[in-house]
Amino acid sequence: TQLLEQSPQFLSIQEGENLTVYCNSSSVFSSLQWYRQEPGEGPVLLVTVVTGGEVKKLKRLTFQFGDARKDSSLHITAAQTGDTGLYLCAGDPRSNDYKLSFGAGTTVTVRA
Amino acid sequence: SAVISQKPSRDICQRGTSLTIQCQVDSQVTMMFWYRQQPGQSLTLIATANQGSEATYESGFVIDKFPISRPNLTFSTLTVSNMSPEDSSIYLCSVRLVFTDTQYFGPGTRLTVL
Repeated sequence: TQLLEQSPQFLSIQEGENLTVYCNSSSVFSSLQWYRQEPGEGPVLLVTVVTGGEVKKLKRLTFQFGDARKDSSLHITAAQTGDTGLYLCAGDPRSNDYKLSFGAGTTVTVRA
Repeated sequence: SAVISQKPSRDICQRGTSLTIQCQVDSQVTMMFWYRQQPGQSLTLIATANQGSEATYESGFVIDKFPISRPNLTFSTLTVSNMSPEDSSIYLCSVRLVFTDTQYFGPGTRLTVL
């Protein structure tokens, strides 16, 4: 499966600060999904972006899909301690086997 | 959306034994997958569970070690056979809804092998 490069690998910020996580690839994806995973739990779907240039907002989270559908970003405004977790991006290459390509993940820690 | 349950949620097993993990989905889905996640790492696909036929395994994973069944559209099992400490991981069931771009994950099974 194709690889998605996710950066940074670790991010530690103070509550109230902003943060951005990036997901990049040389391949085109038909869609891209972002998940958040807390310790001891499975990944929870945050959003699916489908259209190049698409921007989706989920409260303080803003997701953007690149115009060429090769990259995506997740921006969190005024982070809260509840935003702490492992953030994963996953691209759908729209192949017949429906297998997602996952980034390595970004561990976000928001300090009180 | 889909609600996925996994059993057991966690287990501690002895070396050389086997554990079967169950995955149940509350709606009919087309694709079911099994992933492994080692501590602090991303997800690694083990196999695609095919209804009524043999699973499709990824490179590095074999049927003798990870036998998978999927007798119907909503249920699958993954067995981790002849376990060693290196098999200690979180095992995740995942499903893809028909005609959508969305994949959902179960809560995971945390396996520790002593």
